[in-house]
Amino acid sequence: ETGVTQSPTHLIKTRGQQVTLRCSSQSGHNTVSWYQQALGQGPQFIFQYYREEENGRGNFPPRFSGLQFPNYSSELNVNALELDDSALYLCASSLVRLSSGANVLTFGAGSRLTVL
Amino acid sequence: DQQVKQNSPSLSVQEGRISILNCDYTNSMFDYFLWYKKYPAEGPTFLISISSIKDKNEDGRFTVFLNKSAKHLSLHIVPSQPGDSAVYFCVASDPNAGNMLTFGGGTRLMVKP
Repeated sequence: ETGVTQSPTHLIKTRGQQVTLRCSSQSGHNTVSWYQQALGQGPQFIFQYYREEENGRGNFPPRFSGLQFPNYSSELNVNALELDDSALYLCASSLVRLSSGANVLTFGAGSRLTVL
Repeated sequence: DQQVKQNSPSLSVQEGRISILNCDYTNSMFDYFLWYKKYPAEGPTFLISISSIKDKNEDGRFTVFLNKSAKHLSLHIVPSQPGDSAVYFCVASDPNAGNMLTFGGGTRLMVKP
């Protein structure tokens, strides 16, 4: 089975620009979530998509938006980039369980964004 | 406010000895706790989890202990191996927030040969 793949792996933008990051979920997974990991910190939840709709959001402003496509791939869009947006952006996929259990995520290797 | 805290940013252990990584949390509604491991240039990978109704879960060399009254959990690795050198994240799942995962800041474990 294929894992979670993300593109691009690295990119550099300038303040005020817009960026789109892409993610292909693991085969068979129907939920995708995005995390921001600043240097020296743990990943922070941005939002989650299930059946192409956002069904959970962390403490991030509206200029962070996303899409999930019918094939369960996903995009993260960030508008009006700020210097503090420089971070590793991680995509993770999972399979929603009908029974209770830990929500085990499979992560991609991330896209490292640098905003100058 | 940091709901999941890992107060030790780094830990160094000799090969063959026990590694103990600690984690504290503040939200009593968390129902599952997970540990993820991250190597450089890779995404975090799932290691082990524990339900809030249990106090111990073991998987090979890895054991997680949960003390709900103290809101504290720990990951024990024994014996530690050089390949265990990585950043370990303590993670909590919130059923009231769509099972959103909250990560601690991570502990960098270095296992010396």
